[in-house]
Amino acid sequence: DTAVSQTPKYLVTQMGNDKSIKCEQNLGHDTMYWYKQDSKKFLKIMFSYNNKELIINETVPNRFSPKSPDKAHLNLHINSLELGDSAVYFCASSQDVTGVNFGPGTRLTVT
Amino acid sequence: TQLLEQSPQFLSIQEGENLTVYCNSSSVFSSLQWYRQEPGEGPVLLVTVVTGGEVKKLKRLTFQFGDARKDSSLHITAAQPGDTGLYLCAGVSNTGKLIFGQGTTLQVKP
Repeated sequence: DTAVSQTPKYLVTQMGNDKSIKCEQNLGHDTMYWYKQDSKKFLKIMFSYNNKELIINETVPNRFSPKSPDKAHLNLHINSLELGDSAVYFCASSQDVTGVNFGPGTRLTVT
Repeated sequence: TQLLEQSPQFLSIQEGENLTVYCNSSSVFSSLQWYRQEPGEGPVLLVTVVTGGEVKKLKRLTFQFGDARKDSSLHITAAQPGDTGLYLCAGVSNTGKLIFGQGTTLQVKP
């Protein structure tokens, strides 16, 4: 199936740990994103990559580091996890500004 | 900073009723998108409107982009339980970023 996939679906970890979320898209899109959805369902962009190059970096703590090994993959590594990092993280991709394809999300719970 | 205000935030109606969700801003957006998100899943694009005054229909859903491209509305006719979900509007800003509204949670009771 053509889609945006991300793993894991659920991630439960303790404060201070380091974790990674992986994302892959097979839609052939040039641009990939990471979005964060908080407990009030508000979606906010974190990062945007175009052809492996970082083009948007919102005011995100530098504990969050995206890595794009190729244009089909955009992984998110988080160091020293904090309680406030608990949220649902969505990977997404698009070819242009007419619409974005989202992955199924990773629910991160920091205890 | 460009912001999108969505209203209402919550809506609970009976099957068969009509409803309208509004998405407003004081800023102009080059285009506006509507997404629907079901629990445990990512948002799914419903429609993109680009031209001021544009109206698009998707079965029982009607989307309108304001003439000044600052606002949009989603109207659902004869809502069904399958329409239940979180509806999100999103505008493409002048810097190319997609900015989301806070979302409208719709519950349609049978």
